[in-house]
Amino acid sequence: QVQLVQSGAEVRKPGASVKLSCKASGFSFSIYVMHWVRQAPGQRLEWMGWIHAGTGNTKYSQKFQGRVTMTRDTSASTAYMELSGLRSEDTAVYYCARVFTKGPPDFWGQGSLVTVSS
Amino acid sequence: DIQMTQSPSTLSASIGDRVTITCRASQSITKWLAWYQQKPGKAPKLLIYDASSLESGVPSRFSGSGSGTEFTLTISSLQPDDFATYFCQQYNSYSSYTFGQGTKLEIK
Repeated sequence: QVQLVQSGAEVRKPGASVKLSCKASGFSFSIYVMHWVRQAPGQRLEWMGWIHAGTGNTKYSQKFQGRVTMTRDTSASTAYMELSGLRSEDTAVYYCARVFTKGPPDFWGQGSLVTVSS
Repeated sequence: DIQMTQSPSTLSASIGDRVTITCRASQSITKWLAWYQQKPGKAPKLLIYDASSLESGVPSRFSGSGSGTEFTLTISSLQPDDFATYFCQQYNSYSSYTFGQGTKLEIK
């Protein structure tokens, strides 16, 4: 069955970086676009960007441009999202989700909690 | 960016009720709208895509309609499992995906 298994919770200090992983199984990873979306406490979902798992092409939200880097390892069917220059407002649950062609994310990982605190 | 506004923010209803949630886009997104259900501590679950297409495995009591800037999600007869938060999302452009603020559906 389709699975997106994300890495565990992380705690970082302001100014640090965090790199999250999202391991895919049960589907052909390289034909999908992997999106990253976050949800801060009490806030709406916020789209961060995507990476095409096959080509490695990326598109980032302007809000995160310069701070976010999305990569993938096709041999491991894993997508990664690194966010740098962390601040308290980055405390959120981060989700990966897959998209096929022009569609919405149809399957999401379980989420990774990132806490930014001094 | 396209802004998505949902209403109401909270909705109280009873088992068996018919409920409707509205999502408005700040500009036309033709049919590129999805609806999700989210329960506490869980990932969103896709219910409807392309405004009115039912995702595989989703009960037929869920339906979506609309185009352009105004969209609705309807649950025809509420079941206990349906009490959750519902989000809309637009995917009109590859460079920007935005979500509504959510509608919390509560038991009356």
